[in-house]
Amino acid sequence: DAGVIQSPRHEVTEMGQEVTLRCKPISGHDYLFWYRQTMMRGLELLIYFNNNVPIDDSGMPEDRFSAKMPNASFSTLKIQPSEPRDSAVYFCASSLVGQAYEQYFGPGTRLTVT
Amino acid sequence: RKEVEQDPGPFNVPEGATVAFNCTYSNSASQSFFWYRQDCRKEPKLLMSVYSSGNEDGRFTAQLNRASQYISLLIRDSKLSDSATYLCVVIRSGGSYIPTFGRGTSLIVHP
Repeated sequence: DAGVIQSPRHEVTEMGQEVTLRCKPISGHDYLFWYRQTMMRGLELLIYFNNNVPIDDSGMPEDRFSAKMPNASFSTLKIQPSEPRDSAVYFCASSLVGQAYEQYFGPGTRLTVT
Repeated sequence: RKEVEQDPGPFNVPEGATVAFNCTYSNSASQSFFWYRQDCRKEPKLLMSVYSSGNEDGRFTAQLNRASQYISLLIRDSKLSDSATYLCVVIRSGGSYIPTFGRGTSLIVHP
């Protein structure tokens, strides 16, 4: 299995630009999670989906952030407009129902907003 | 008080040493507990679950103390390859499933 795939691996953008991060979960997994990791705040859960349906988005920092999961094999996290404080590593993770506690993380997208 | 707290370290230990980390949690309704390992500039990976009765996986032992609301990870006979950040994860019971990660404890094993 290829594991969780994220793209791009690195993104550098200017403040005010739209950023779209992509994730392909492990085939057959029905939970998908988006996290953000910074030195200051550690690893924070932003949102998670179960069977493509958003279950809890209470971690999404503000309206500039949005996430979608149009099908079982693809999810996006969009930031519009981006700000320097959004600079972080964004991880996507997936897991199986019944084993929802064992999450498999993608390699992450390192986002820098200048 | 933060929901999940860990000593950030770093813990600097020689090869072969035994080292232990604790992780405290504030929500008594917490249901499930895990340790993840994260290497520098890599993604977190599940190390082991933490069961109420305690559990062991090779050189690693995890314990849960519900009365005092903490979990621990003990590493025996440390190897250079154990150098990493160890994250504890706490999952609340009831309602939606929300995992909360600690900030992590950094371990450096030196020759």
